[in-house]
Amino acid sequence: TQLLEQSPQFLSIQEGENLTVYCNSSSVFSSLQWYRQEPGEGPVLLVTVVTGGEVKKLKRLTFQFGDARKDSSLHITAAQPGDTGLYLCAVKNTNAGKSTFGDGTTLTVKP
Amino acid sequence: EAQVTQNPRYLITVTGKKLTVTCSQNMNHEYMSWYRQDPGLGLRQIYYSMNVEVTDKGDVPEGYKVSRKEKRNFPLILESPSPNQTSLYFCASGGRYTGELFFGEGSRLTVL
Repeated sequence: TQLLEQSPQFLSIQEGENLTVYCNSSSVFSSLQWYRQEPGEGPVLLVTVVTGGEVKKLKRLTFQFGDARKDSSLHITAAQPGDTGLYLCAVKNTNAGKSTFGDGTTLTVKP
Repeated sequence: EAQVTQNPRYLITVTGKKLTVTCSQNMNHEYMSWYRQDPGLGLRQIYYSMNVEVTDKGDVPEGYKVSRKEKRNFPLILESPSPNQTSLYFCASGGRYTGELFFGEGSRLTVL
């Protein structure tokens, strides 16, 4: 069983559309990270969410941590071609060091 | 510039020929980790290190070795590579007690 389930797996939209991707689990986390990865490059950290119900904004990207700290969502407003990439959610056990990534959502934004 | 540097970026080798992928970070991070990324399987953790001389297995450690003799370096060793180790490898570092990771640019390894 995958610890972090991301949906949808693939998403192709037109420039200017809004979208939401999800990261779900049955486990409770002390924090959760979102990364974006472009082809041929390493993942780049976008945000960390820590508090249940927390909402963080990064320009047109809005991240939310579920009240129970089991799930998270990423909403992009007015998507642009530069938003194209693989979006990954991840958790790390800060006491033991093991980290887990979701399989990611591959987003394509067409001009 | 804060960065994680991996070498080589690309490597084609043959089965059984030992190789080492180096990883170095200049952010004074205590935590370092190796991952492999395969289509359909996502990013999977190979080994990690919470501090110098402290290493532990991730989810897919078979066929790999690591060492952490210095804080900044965390090499990944494939003693006898096999074709199923063909993959894209990433090194990452971060604070010991935070979840945030900073990744290298990746090393694409092909084992023939």
